[in-house]
Parts: sequence; C-alpha cells; structure tokens
Amino acid sequence: AQSVSQHNHHVILSEAASLELGCNYSYGGTVNLFWYVQYPGQHLQLLLKYFSGDPLVKGIKGFEAEFIKSKFSFNLRKPSVQWSDTAEYFCAVRGGGADGLTFGKGTHLIIQP
Amino acid sequence: NAGVTQTPKFQVLKTGQSMTLQCAQDMNHEYMSWYRQDPGMGLRLIHYSVGAGITDQGEVPNGYNVSRSTTEDFPLRLLSAAPSQTSVYFCASGGGTANTEAFFGQGTRLTVV
Repeated sequence: AQSVSQHNHHVILSEAASLELGCNYSYGGTVNLFWYVQYPGQHLQLLLKYFSGDPLVKGIKGFEAEFIKSKFSFNLRKPSVQWSDTAEYFCAVRGGGADGLTFGKGTHLIIQP
Repeated sequence: NAGVTQTPKFQVLKTGQSMTLQCAQDMNHEYMSWYRQDPGMGLRLIHYSVGAGITDQGEVPNGYNVSRSTTEDFPLRLLSAAPSQTSVYFCASGGGTANTEAFFGQGTRLTVV
C-alpha cells in the first residue's frame, strides 16, 4: 500500500516569504500526484496535479510543484506567499489500484501579515 | 453546475443513533468515495465505489455502510454512532482511474455526543 509523508505539520511565515512544503510518497509504480488546499471552514480544492510529462507543474494562485522520481518527492513551492494563503495543505498520491487517493497528514500554514 | 453535493452540512447525533450522509454528483463519474478528516490524520478512505452496484472497503470502514444504486448517489450510513465517529466527512467524485482527478463535496461536520 502506498503512503504519503508531509514533513512539516505546522509552518508559520511572514508575507512575501518563500514557501516550500515537502511531500514524499512510497510507491514503486506509476503514480499520480496532487496537492490540495483547504481554506478555513471550506472543502478541499485542487491546487495542482502531476500525471506525466514535465515534472515541474504549475497550479493555481502562483503555486508550483516539482516531481522528482528518484527521490519519490513532490514538493510544493511558492516564491512569495500572501496572507490569503493561510490554509491547510494536503499532498496525495494515487498508485495503481482502485482504492482512491492516499493523503498525507497535512501541513497547517499560517501567514503573518 | 453543482458538482458534488453533500447533505447535511452539520449534524449532532447521540451515541447509538443511526443516520445517512447524502452525496450526489452530476458529473457522470463512475468512481465515488467517502473520506473522513480528523485533526493531524489527514483524510482517510472509508468506502469507495467503482460503479452502480459495486462498493468496496477503504482504510477505515468499520461502523459505516454504503450502497450505490445509481451513478449519481453514494450515501454513507452510520449504523450505530459512536463518539469516535465525530469527524468531518467528505464525499469525492471521480479520480478512480489513472490520470483523473477527484472533486470533493463541501463536507459534513458530524458530532456524536
């Protein structure tokens, strides 16, 4: 079974700081990779996804992620965060089976004005 | 264009009561799934369905029952609610096959007292 590890459970940054959230997964086959964001009191929204091709994926709101197959990683980045980026961020992977997505435990990001 | 609709948004149950969380989608997806979200645990898969009449267990199925009589609807039943089932429940539609994404409902916040 696949698993997902998010390294930082809580991150506090100031506005305009750069962001990198780590995500590693364990699955040896072909994977689909996702980052979801959950703003306070809301449902999950897709930030970006990787299916195949260019390992550098650009998503909404200035986020991007890089798939590094040799490191089993899919880290999320943003060059300059805003107060409105305060949210919980989830990395997820789907491997070869039909049993849906496997999520990491989430990173709670707080941006201080 | 409703996407994924979950009802109710909030619910308080007494221990031992039963209830059904409703989920409907209008995207004609064969694959639907239910997750529960708990603090520090991410999202965990409860049950999923690959089409009408076909369901299977996920990571945490105990205490929950599902059925899929139509493509559109995938209700989740709590047979005898327990405080350990206090959680936020998300229904998702799609994302069951390679290179597809899941769309999430708004969630149901359930408290069992």
